[in-house]
Amino acid sequence: EAQVTQNPRYLITVTGKKLTVTCSQNMNHEYMSWYRQDPGLGLRQIYYSMNVEVTDKGDVPEGYKVSRKEKRNFPLILESPSPNQTSLYFCASSSQVGGSQPQHFGDGTRLSIL
Amino acid sequence: GQNIDQPTEMTATEGAIVQINCTYQTSGFNGLFWYQQHAGEAPTFLSYNVLDGLEEKGRFSSFLSRSKGYSYLLLKELQMKDSASYLCAVRDPNAGNNRKLIWGLGTSLAVNP
Repeated sequence: EAQVTQNPRYLITVTGKKLTVTCSQNMNHEYMSWYRQDPGLGLRQIYYSMNVEVTDKGDVPEGYKVSRKEKRNFPLILESPSPNQTSLYFCASSSQVGGSQPQHFGDGTRLSIL
Repeated sequence: GQNIDQPTEMTATEGAIVQINCTYQTSGFNGLFWYQQHAGEAPTFLSYNVLDGLEEKGRFSSFLSRSKGYSYLLLKELQMKDSASYLCAVRDPNAGNNRKLIWGLGTSLAVNP
């Protein structure tokens, strides 16, 4: 089954404790992206990747890191999480950057930073 | 700046028809998407418009007028499971290679029996 898989789905942690949210897609998609979604603010892009070893900042990259060493994986790293990073996070992928191909989203990761 | 406007909330009755509007103000246009998102779940793709006119997909249709910067999503024969948030997204014309989307805040639709 074609899918985008995020782990963990839920995480409660404390300020300053490094964490990684994994994202993997099995559709051989070139484009991958991370979003956070907050009430009243909608979906905001954190980082995106056009292909292996090609990443770039989105609209809200501060406090986050990403890597794209393999086509299928695009982990999101919070080196020193803070309470303002409490949010619902989505990973997404698509087969092409332009055109009609939509982004496919993972099921989301709900992070709570205490 | 680039901006998308959608109504925040709408209510409708089961079996009825509802139209959800989206207006966008961007410096160019390269395509518009509609997504459905149930509470706490992932957005799922509904439709894509790049040319003027109506695209029909079963109970859901989407319309685009590029000259007016306007789109709508039409949901027919509403069902309770259509209660969700509907997100409008436009390709950012300032982002090279169409690599970014500008997202609206979504319209929360409540379908009542």
